[in-house]
Amino acid sequence: NAGVTQTPKFQVLKTGQSMTLQCAQDMNHNSMYWYRQDPGMGLRLIYYSASEGTTDKGEVPNGYNVSRLNKREFSLRLESAAPSQTSVYFCASSEVGLFEQFFGPGTRLTVL
Amino acid sequence: QKEVEQNSGPLSVPEGAIASLNCTYSDRGSQSFFWYRQYSGKSPELIMSIYSNGDKEDGRFTAQLNKASQYVSLLIRDSQPSDSATYLCAVSGGSNYKLTFGKGTLLTVNP
Repeated sequence: NAGVTQTPKFQVLKTGQSMTLQCAQDMNHNSMYWYRQDPGMGLRLIYYSASEGTTDKGEVPNGYNVSRLNKREFSLRLESAAPSQTSVYFCASSEVGLFEQFFGPGTRLTVL
Repeated sequence: QKEVEQNSGPLSVPEGAIASLNCTYSDRGSQSFFWYRQYSGKSPELIMSIYSNGDKEDGRFTAQLNKASQYVSLLIRDSQPSDSATYLCAVSGGSNYKLTFGKGTLLTVNP
């Protein structure tokens, strides 16, 4: 099992460009999450999907959109990237009724 | 707003010593508590979970929970240089499946 996978691993964008971060899990988990991690700020929840077909805002949703494509896949889209979105992005998943979350390897995004 | 507080460190201990990492949380209704380890440049890895008051041991790791004091800790016995990492405390409660993370404590184990 690969667990949680994320693509790409690294990305450099110019201000105003758009991109989609992809996440997939093969653990048959119902819930999936997107976080960003910045120095001194810890992990902050951007969006989450408690189950297929549902998505909800987290702590810092502005500037992002998400799509729960199916049970396995949860994507994060930046429509018009800004330098403030330079960060490391982690996707995570968990089983319904359990709170243990398992993280992907992360995407390191730089917006110039 | 739910808050999880950790000392940022760095916490430096000699090899073979006991490392003690602490975490406090603000939501008295929190029910589930987790410790994650994050090596530099890597993703968080779940190492311990605890749900009831008391101690839970797993190898060299012991998690301690005191809900009355809203306090959770992680003890690492016989610390090794490979334990050098940032340790994240995470807390959850209710049915929304969300975790609130502390900012982490950087642990350095010196050979």
